[in-house]
Amino acid sequence: AQSVTQLGSHVSVSEGALVLLRCNYSSSVPPYLFWYVQYPNQGLQLLLKYTSAATLVKGINGFEAEFKKSETSFHLTKPSAHMSDAAEYFCASQNQAGTALIFGKGTTLSVSS
Amino acid sequence: DVKVTQSSRYLVKRTGEKVFLECVQDMDHENMFWYRQDPGLGLRLIYFSYDVKMKEKGDIPEGYSVSREKKERFSLILESASTNQTSMYLCASSPGGYRGNQPQHFGDGTRLSIL
Repeated sequence: AQSVTQLGSHVSVSEGALVLLRCNYSSSVPPYLFWYVQYPNQGLQLLLKYTSAATLVKGINGFEAEFKKSETSFHLTKPSAHMSDAAEYFCASQNQAGTALIFGKGTTLSVSS
Repeated sequence: DVKVTQSSRYLVKRTGEKVFLECVQDMDHENMFWYRQDPGLGLRLIYFSYDVKMKEKGDIPEGYSVSREKKERFSLILESASTNQTSMYLCASSPGGYRGNQPQHFGDGTRLSIL
């Protein structure tokens, strides 16, 4: 069955440090991939999406992600963490039928000063 | 901006009750979705709809049903609520119809407690 795996349920960084959140997908064909962010007591907000136009995708709030077909990965990065980046992050892949999204279990990002 | 509105942010119901969760979107999107979110499990798809009066089961449809009588409104129904349905419920919508690949837009969620 198709799946999305986020490595690390919790990541902690210092303010100003690099943020790296890992996501691997399983699919026989390159899928459409998404990263969402969820702040406390809110719904999910789209950070960025990959739709095969370019392997490096830039999103909002300084985040970007690189699609690597050979590694079936779509890791999310940000060069310098801000306190306001503390949230839960979800990676998602379109299912093979193209009808819905499959979500990873999420990674909680903590940022300390 | 797309607005997806869920009727309640917090809801407390008793076991055995019939519970309705309502969701409205204002962007004329064809697709609408209901997820539940539980700690450590991420989001799991309950049902989705790609057109009025159309519905398809997601990964965990047991104990739930849905209704889509109008394009902008998608209702989730717990036929007989049980304590294991205590969860955060998220509604989402996206354009494109069946097999659309556009991002989904989410509401703020309904935190449902079944006592």
